[in-house]
Parts: sequence; C-alpha cells; structure tokens
Amino acid sequence: AQTVTQSQPEMSVQEAETVTLSCTYDTSESNYYLFWYKQPPSRQMILVIRQEAYKQQNATENRFSVNFQKAAKSFSLKISDSQLGDTAMYFCAFMKPQAGTALIFGKGTTLSVSS
Amino acid sequence: GAVVSQHPSWVICKSGTSVKIECRSLDFQATTMFWYRQFPKQSLMLMATSNEGSKATYEQGVEKDKFLINHASLTLSTLTVTSAHPEDSSFYICSAHPGTGTNYGYTFGSGTRLTVV
Repeated sequence: AQTVTQSQPEMSVQEAETVTLSCTYDTSESNYYLFWYKQPPSRQMILVIRQEAYKQQNATENRFSVNFQKAAKSFSLKISDSQLGDTAMYFCAFMKPQAGTALIFGKGTTLSVSS
Repeated sequence: GAVVSQHPSWVICKSGTSVKIECRSLDFQATTMFWYRQFPKQSLMLMATSNEGSKATYEQGVEKDKFLINHASLTLSTLTVTSAHPEDSSFYICSAHPGTGTNYGYTFGSGTRLTVV
C-alpha cells in the first residue's frame, strides 16, 4: 500500500520569503503521479503543481516548484516570494496511473504567511 | 474546464433525518467519482469510490448503509447520509478525474459542511 508523509504540521513565513514544504512517500510502483494541493480557508481544493514520476525534470508553476527525488521518494514544494494569499493548508498526494484510482493524501501542512 | 459542482455548500439537519449531497461534473464525463470526509485541520479521508452504473466501493470502516452513494449518470453522483446523527457532522468533498490524460490532477467540488443538531 502507498503512504504519504508530511512531517511539518505547521509552518510560518514572512511575505516575499521562500519556504519549502516536505513530503515523502512509499510505493513499490515504478510509474505514478505526485501532486501538491492547496486548501485555503474557503476549503476549496486547488491543484498547485503535479509531477510525473517518469520525468526527471522538476515541475515548476510560476512561484511554485518541486524537488523530486525518486530514489529517495521525496517530493518537496518550494514557494518563492511568498504572498499572503498563499496562506492555506497544503496537501501532498500520490496517484497510481490506473484509471479510477483515488488520490492518497498526506496529513497536510498548515502554512501561514505574515506581513 | 474540468469543473465539479457540489451542492449544497452547507446544510443543517435534525438528528434522525437524511441529507442528500450532489456532485456534478459540469464539462466532462466522470465514470468514477470519489467522496471524502474531512474534519477540521485534518486531511481528506476517502470514504468511497462511486462508479457509474454500478455499486460504490466503500473504504474499510465506512458504513455503506449510512452513507448511500448513487452514480446514475456520467455527470452526477449523490451521497445520502441516512439517519444522520451529530457525529456525522463534518465537511464532505467530492472529486472526479477529467480523464484527459492520467497525469491530470483530480478536480474537487467546493465541499458541503454538514451540521447535525
């Protein structure tokens, strides 16, 4: 069975600073997908970034980038130039490539951005 | 694109009554939808996988007779909480996969806050 671990329950950062959220996972699959989702106070789940395991290049989306280390089964999220609107709970998620399989979530990291 | 609409956003019901939550994929067909439950400041817990035209698959520990799931069409799945009690109060979220490539992330509804009094 796959597991996703987020070891930082809470983090805080000042505006304009950079913060890195950690995520590790365990799987015996060779091909899979990894995601970071953001859940702001509205509780709407928002896809931040996704990574395909067979791609060595780390995914980037504007201020968001990941450090994907497949051998170490690590998938951290870096947020650059943090903004107040980045305040949210962040979930790391794993997905097998087969159709109809659910996302497996970590416990989440609550990020607070202050001015 | 890839929008999932969930209604109602919040509902208050009396103990012993039933509540139905709808999850619709607005611009794509979803053979499979997922229902999650989330307690405050916790992660999403998968309750069941809803399959169009067939019975839902429930996760271990989830009472199938209490949480009835119907997926009658490719765009609609419903979750009915039967004989609700205060311990059923929670935030319920549905999600679906647009199917436009397996690397595309799942899309989530906006959630339903259920309060049983």
